[in-house]
Amino acid sequence: QVQLVESGGGVVQPGRSLRLSCEASGFTFNDRGVHWVRQAPGKGLEWVAVIWYDGSDERYADSVKGRFTISRDNSKNTVFLQMNSLRAEDTAIYYCAQDLTKNYFHYGADVWGQGTTVTVSS
Amino acid sequence: DIQMTQSPSSVSASVGDRVTITCRASQDITSYLAWYQQKPGKAPKLLIYAASTLLSGVPSRFSGSGSGTEFSLTISSLQPEDFATYYCQQGDTFPWTFGQGTKVEIK
Repeated sequence: QVQLVESGGGVVQPGRSLRLSCEASGFTFNDRGVHWVRQAPGKGLEWVAVIWYDGSDERYADSVKGRFTISRDNSKNTVFLQMNSLRAEDTAIYYCAQDLTKNYFHYGADVWGQGTTVTVSS
Repeated sequence: DIQMTQSPSSVSASVGDRVTITCRASQDITSYLAWYQQKPGKAPKLLIYAASTLLSGVPSRFSGSGSGTEFSLTISSLQPEDFATYYCQQGDTFPWTFGQGTKVEIK
């Protein structure tokens, strides 16, 4: 069964760090870009970051630039999101999602994980 | 950043109704527009990409149209499983941006 499984969420104090993981099972996704998208409680979707299929490049939302880092280990079929200097406004469900294409990035994401919840609170 | 504006924010409809949701981009995004469906507690599901291409397995009652700055998603005959929130998303440039969502509710 083709699926993405996120892990690593939890409750963390402001200013601390957290590392999310997104593991593919049932397929290898080393030929697709991967995104992180988040959803604050009761709110809409916010794109966070993307990494190229081979890890050669990445892009970030301004709201997380300089604090979050996306990376991947294709040998482990896993993408990571290192989140530093966390703020209350980073509280959200974080989804990883596979891009529909290799590195064209124009057509959306067709495979999504179930999400992992991050709560930033003192 | 490109702003995506959906309307309406919510719509009440009955099974069998035709429902249309519109999405407007703040600048020309050609046809780089995707539509997602999200049900409570679930991840979004891609329905349509490139403004009008249905993803494999998506029922044909869903259709998308538009280009440039004006787009629409139409459900030709609403089914019980279609009650959900729908989001448009532009893929023209990073950062990807989403519309605020349209909740399709049971009338």
